[in-house]
Amino acid sequence: SQQGEEDPQALSIQEGENATMNCSYKTSINNLQWYRQNSGRGLVHLILIRSNEREKHSGRLRVTLDTSKKSSSLLITASRAADTASYFCATVLDSGTYKYIFGTGTRLKVLA
Amino acid sequence: NAGVMQNPRHLVRRRGQEARLRCSPMKGHSHVYWYRQLPEEGLKFMVYLQKENIIDESGMPKERFSAEFPKEGPSILRIQQVVRGDSAAYFCASSPPSRTGWDEQYFGPGTRLTVT
Repeated sequence: SQQGEEDPQALSIQEGENATMNCSYKTSINNLQWYRQNSGRGLVHLILIRSNEREKHSGRLRVTLDTSKKSSSLLITASRAADTASYFCATVLDSGTYKYIFGTGTRLKVLA
Repeated sequence: NAGVMQNPRHLVRRRGQEARLRCSPMKGHSHVYWYRQLPEEGLKFMVYLQKENIIDESGMPKERFSAEFPKEGPSILRIQQVVRGDSAAYFCASSPPSRTGWDEQYFGPGTRLTVT
């Protein structure tokens, strides 16, 4: 598997429900970031969590990081139709290259 | 403060022609990244540049592709002798230097290249 893989690949939920998506990675990281991409547009940064942090909140978003399992999860609470988008995790490697490696994405559809 | 600007937004080229994609980073940002995205896929890192320097081009094909970020003006991603497989969305992102590590990237709207 490649660095930064999200699952599920696609998720369909009803408005008001919570959406959880996961990201796994392979090598040691400096930080992990989540981005949203609306169809046909550029990515928008959502939240950043550093390797020494375990949990972070931003509005309806909650991100956790488990460095021992090399995984992160993004929880969107009380989802809205406007949350429909693709969500990507990006890892910044702790190897001095400072290259951002993006995952394959989770396509979220929130039904009104 | 304008965001990251890319132009053109759409570019159509015939096989064998050259494609030039431009990116103007956000004001104050000295780091530029180029990514390529195929439909329904994630972003693939191509190259990371700072002003007048290519820092990491490990994601860029050795042939036909080149990138620059001159002291003045936008960053340019150049694809020579395009082939149909080059058809994709190309995104540019910029970030400021950070003492705490590498922070969020700000993305442009992308250039959609179609090779006919």
